[in-house]
Amino acid sequence: NAGVTQTPKFRILKIGQSMTLQCTQDMNHNYMYWYRQDPGMGLKLIYYSVGAGITDKGEVPNGYNVSRSTTEDFPLRLELAAPSQTSVYFCASSSAGTSGRLEQFFGPGTRLTVL
Amino acid sequence: AQSVTQLDSQVPVFEEAPVELRCNYSSSVSVYLFWYVQYPNQGLQLLLKYLSGSTLVESINGFEAEFNKSQTSFHLRKPSVHISDTAEYFCAVSEENRDDKIIFGKGTRLHILP
Repeated sequence: NAGVTQTPKFRILKIGQSMTLQCTQDMNHNYMYWYRQDPGMGLKLIYYSVGAGITDKGEVPNGYNVSRSTTEDFPLRLELAAPSQTSVYFCASSSAGTSGRLEQFFGPGTRLTVL
Repeated sequence: AQSVTQLDSQVPVFEEAPVELRCNYSSSVSVYLFWYVQYPNQGLQLLLKYLSGSTLVESINGFEAEFNKSQTSFHLRKPSVHISDTAEYFCAVSEENRDDKIIFGKGTRLHILP
């Protein structure tokens, strides 16, 4: 199993540009998450999904959109990039069932810079 | 609302010395507690977790953490650190009735000094 994969690894955007961060998991996990990590701030939840066709906002959803058309994929869309969105983005997944939801498996991250 | 506090942003320690990384949480309901580790340029991975039962939990690489309900703490300890333990460590909490979400602390960077 590849686990959770993210593309791209690095990206530089200009202000106002848009892009999609890709996330795929091959563990048949129902739950998927997007976090951003800023230095000294830990991880902040952007959006999450409890299954295909279901998404919900996390702590910091403004400026982002998500979709979940399949169990495997959970892309994160930035429509109008702003410097405040410069961060490292992590995708994670976990399985259904109480104890399964409690361990999240993380991808390697996407480092995004908005100039 | 639940929250997690890691008071130390960085902890330097000499190789083979003991270390304790502190974590305190707040919640009005029962919680599950976790320590995740992030090695340089990698994603987070679960180090250990407390769900129920014995309050002392251990990882495979020598770390342990003890759930202390009265002090609302879940400190991480290792009796003798190795250079390979250099990483950032995140404490996290999930409430029993909202176990689809985990709240992470701000992290503690462990520096191992030769």
